[in-house]
Amino acid sequence: DAKTTQPTSMDCAEGRAANLPCNHSTISGNEYVYWYRQIHSQGPQYIIHGLKNNETNEMASLIITEDRKSSTLILPHATLRDTAVYYCIVREDGGTSYGKLTFGQGTILTVHP
Amino acid sequence: GAVVSQHPSWVICKSGTSVKIECRSLDFQATTMFWYRQFPKQSLMLMATSNEGSKATYEQGVEKDKFLINHASLTLSTLTVTSAHPEDSSFYICSASRPGNQPQHFGDGTRLSIL
Repeated sequence: DAKTTQPTSMDCAEGRAANLPCNHSTISGNEYVYWYRQIHSQGPQYIIHGLKNNETNEMASLIITEDRKSSTLILPHATLRDTAVYYCIVREDGGTSYGKLTFGQGTILTVHP
Repeated sequence: GAVVSQHPSWVICKSGTSVKIECRSLDFQATTMFWYRQFPKQSLMLMATSNEGSKATYEQGVEKDKFLINHASLTLSTLTVTSAHPEDSSFYICSASRPGNQPQHFGDGTRLSIL
């Protein structure tokens, strides 16, 4: 089972920031938070990941709370092409499950003109 | 950036035939690749973990004799759906990862339709 919970859907106006929340209250100390998105009929696209510090790259920013029980993905200036399903995933670590990604239902983000 | 190539993009075939799907990592060596399946309006479900030079590890409920996985080199893993039937119709997606805590990168998927 997925170890994260996300809202089913969200809307955002084009040009505004999209803030996508994720709860992962049972995260372990050595587990990372990964974000992917999937545009219809394509494979998932890696966005960003982090452990405890906030992270930023050319696509997005990731804000992780101090207790690590939740995080927020921020798309600073959403465009119509950002409409997709966004998955927040806690990545298992160690043993035979090393590297496995367990996908939940994700958040359907719709960016409106 | 890292690129994972998957081939074919889509395939339509008759019930009872076998279908092979290829997954290649184009600019890095992938000791581990993963195969997922996605039914319409559902999320991705991990089928198996493919390890170069050893047997694949299958998730519970996935028939290893039906979904044959071969990872003969550090850049290629193949998934063969044997004796495919209409219920095997789905979107099959592979991913590859460098060793260590590196992101998995996904192929564009293969849409399989069994008539």
